[in-house]
Amino acid sequence: GENVEQHPSTLSVQEGDSAVIKCTYSDSASNYFPWYKQELGKRPQLIIDIRSNVGEKKDQRIAVTLNKTAKHFSLHITETQPEDSAVYFCAADFNDYKLSFGAGTTVTVRA
Amino acid sequence: DSGVTQTPKHLITATGQRVTLRCSPRSGDLSVYWYQQSLDQGLQFLIQYYNGEERAKGNILERFSAQQFPDLHSELNLSSLELGDSALYFCASSRRLYNEQFFGPGTRLTVL
Repeated sequence: GENVEQHPSTLSVQEGDSAVIKCTYSDSASNYFPWYKQELGKRPQLIIDIRSNVGEKKDQRIAVTLNKTAKHFSLHITETQPEDSAVYFCAADFNDYKLSFGAGTTVTVRA
Repeated sequence: DSGVTQTPKHLITATGQRVTLRCSPRSGDLSVYWYQQSLDQGLQFLIQYYNGEERAKGNILERFSAQQFPDLHSELNLSSLELGDSALYFCASSRRLYNEQFFGPGTRLTVL
């Protein structure tokens, strides 16, 4: 099946600290794992993605790691800022071309 | 701005009615996806089209249908609307299959 589990559902961090969100997926054939950020009332925006031939990818304060053997991937945000407050969704692309999304993590960065 | 456009932005209608939501993908994108996001819920995949053909289906109700036209814009038709159909409906597009999906601003549907 195409199941993506995301944890935690909510995350509160002090400004400047790191935030980590973890996702697991069920289909070992998955090979594309994007992360989206959605601010209140707005569209989901792609912030970073990783493909199965890569173990880690970094873009400034954001990094994603992938462990294909264990079928999990994680989003790391370092030096968090108030504008990082949003809902973050992980997703996995399955071989029938669709993305299955995790349930989302509401991140709150406390000033 | 992702380059994906959706109309209308808001839609208020009554139970039992039928509505059509429209999506124009980014220039050059061949694939269109439709998602439903209910209040405090995640993104539920409904259906995908690639270059005019249906490619994948999610948990789309039989009351819902969609199509992609030769100019690549897509329409999602929702009929016999129920209160539970109230949600944000997003369209996304990608260049080809297995490419990054870019989301439109969404259509907020309210069924009264």
